Amino acid sequence: KNEVEQSPQNLTAQEGEFITINCSYSVGISALHWLQQHPGGGIVSLFMLSSGKKKHGRLIATINIQEKHSSLHITASHPRDSAVYICAARRGSQGNLIFGKGTKLSVKP
Amino acid sequence: DAEITQSPRHKITETGRQVTLACHQTWNHNNMFWYRQDLGHGLRLIHYSYGVHDTNKGEVSDGYSVSRSNTEDLPLTLESAASSQTSVYFCASSRGTDSGNTIYFGEGSWLTVV
Repeated sequence: KNEVEQSPQNLTAQEGEFITINCSYSVGISALHWLQQHPGGGIVSLFMLSSGKKKHGRLIATINIQEKHSSLHITASHPRDSAVYICAARRGSQGNLIFGKGTKLSVKP
Repeated sequence: DAEITQSPRHKITETGRQVTLACHQTWNHNNMFWYRQDLGHGLRLIHYSYGVHDTNKGEVSDGYSVSRSNTEDLPLTLESAASSQTSVYFCASSRGTDSGNTIYFGEGSWLTVV
């Protein structure tokens, strides 16, 4: 079993829909990252959080440390949100990142 | 603006050849990382460095080496390229080992070993 699991693996949505991507982890962590990878390949960090909730534009990330679970929400989804979303957990205070396999999101107009 | 760049972006090489992928960052970050990304796997750590002259093996380090002679560069060398090393390679950097540091990725290097 992978230490970081994402669901779903693939997600197709209609423009305007509310989207949720989930990430569960089985190790103790100090922080969790959400990354976005566009079809061209580049990877961009969206959020880094260790507790609670963060919001940036239409994107919201939450984390529940006790339940070892994080979610990434996209409100009013748009075709330009189509990408692979990756969660990554930092094990311990100085550990390296452990990556999930990613969720491929496709938003149809 | 500070950035992290990789070169070459695309390369085709033959089995057995030595290949070096360059990574250069202008963030003045202490930490640099090399990952590979393959279908069915998440990003996997090859090698990493926490500072000049520091290098460490990651989970998939066999067949790869790195050296860190300055803060800006962490070149990744495939000593004798194998078809199993056909992959997309990403370099990344972050300021320090503190959990509060954002990580920045290069654009990726597509390597095909034939």
